[in-house]
Amino acid sequence: QSALTQPPSASGSAGQSVTISCTGTSSDVGGYDLVSWYQQHPGKAPKLIIYEVTKRPSGVPDRFSGSKSGNTASLTVSGLQAEDEADYYCSSFVGRNNWVFGTGTRVTVL
Amino acid sequence: QEQLVESGGGVVQPGQSLRLSCVASGFRFSDHNMHWVRQAPGQGPQWLTFTWSDGSRTYYADYVTARFTVVRDNSKNTISLQMDSLRVEDTAVYYCVRDGQQLMPFSLDVWGHGTMVTVSS
Repeated sequence: QSALTQPPSASGSAGQSVTISCTGTSSDVGGYDLVSWYQQHPGKAPKLIIYEVTKRPSGVPDRFSGSKSGNTASLTVSGLQAEDEADYYCSSFVGRNNWVFGTGTRVTVL
Repeated sequence: QEQLVESGGGVVQPGQSLRLSCVASGFRFSDHNMHWVRQAPGQGPQWLTFTWSDGSRTYYADYVTARFTVVRDNSKNTISLQMDSLRVEDTAVYYCVRDGQQLMPFSLDVWGHGTMVTVSS
């Protein structure tokens, strides 16, 4: 199972929005509405911020939103704040109780 | 506070074995399916294993099956990862992770802090 494809980097000014893509295949992203997104700050463990494509765990700001079209999922961070500067990873269930992660995107707040 | 604490990482030579442990607290461990995930330096996370809440079944990623084995002990709130025939490419931080299950299905909702494994001659 190959890693999902994400752009290496994305950036935006404080207060603006940034959207990160996550491209897979019909066997993973396109086959299930089971994409999740994780935020990781340097030296820390990943943190779940989106599950089942669009849902946010309790405590995650509504500035974070997710969507999916075909084999590509997207994460949008609106109203960028300094603390949003981090690495972001998507993940998808791929059947047979297996999961796959994305290659990761580093978001920089200008 | 829901918490997972890994231990057992270290430096080993290629071909050697290592056993990682993870202790859960702050939630009913026996109710939750669990994962192991690793992250090589500068790379994204890589999913490794998924174990049912009762420990009766574990699913392995193709790249670790036959070398890695998960053991779960609900009486001690622990899950372990036995790693044999280690390779240089197994060098990574290893995370114990709780499955989101009914509340947040098919997501990984609580992560440990990780334990570093270095395989080097």
